[in-house]
Amino acid sequence: QKEVEQNSGPLSVPEGAIASLNCTYSDRGSQSFFWYRQYSGKSPELIMFIYSNGDKEDGRFTAQLNKASQYVSLLIRDSQPSDSATYLCAGVSGSARQLTFGSGTQLTVLP
Amino acid sequence: DAGVTQSPTHLIKTRGQQVTLRCSPISGHKSVSWYQQVLGQGPQFIFQYYEKEERGRGNFPDRFSARQFPNYSSELNVNALLLGDSALYLCASSETPGLAGETQYFGPGTRLLVL
Repeated sequence: QKEVEQNSGPLSVPEGAIASLNCTYSDRGSQSFFWYRQYSGKSPELIMFIYSNGDKEDGRFTAQLNKASQYVSLLIRDSQPSDSATYLCAGVSGSARQLTFGSGTQLTVLP
Repeated sequence: DAGVTQSPTHLIKTRGQQVTLRCSPISGHKSVSWYQQVLGQGPQFIFQYYEKEERGRGNFPDRFSARQFPNYSSELNVNALLLGDSALYLCASSETPGLAGETQYFGPGTRLLVL
């Protein structure tokens, strides 16, 4: 079973702090990874993707990929209450290159 | 540009009934994937279609079927509904499968409740 594991949380950080979300994966064949944000009752919306080892920055978000350790993370700088949501990590694998999701980490940013 | 659209937004059915969910991908996208998300879990892959061909199928029973039309829209059918089929059904579109075009964008979902 190809799995993606996330800490389910909940994770609480104060406004303005850095939120760190982590994800591990078991399929070494996974080449690219996606972070989605999902507000309660809504569908997932793409934050960013990463497929090279190292860091990738987009505004307040930084994704990190370490293929040797099979580890993906998302850092959110200057966290805002509007960042409060469930964050889903997904890896791409399989012949259909489908997304395999973790169960999500619920983040609350406290004003 | 319009994003991924899905219909209906909500649906209530009873056990044993059949349901058809519909999805229109982003213009120019040729690949559609279906996912099921039960409360508290991440989405689970059901099907992927590309150029009207089934490219992959997740671990779901044969009660689940899908197809893609020449205009790249897609339908997901579920027969003999069970209580456990109650979930948010998500459609995602991408340009093509494969590293360059595989970013999947999700529609708003169809929330199905089976009583």
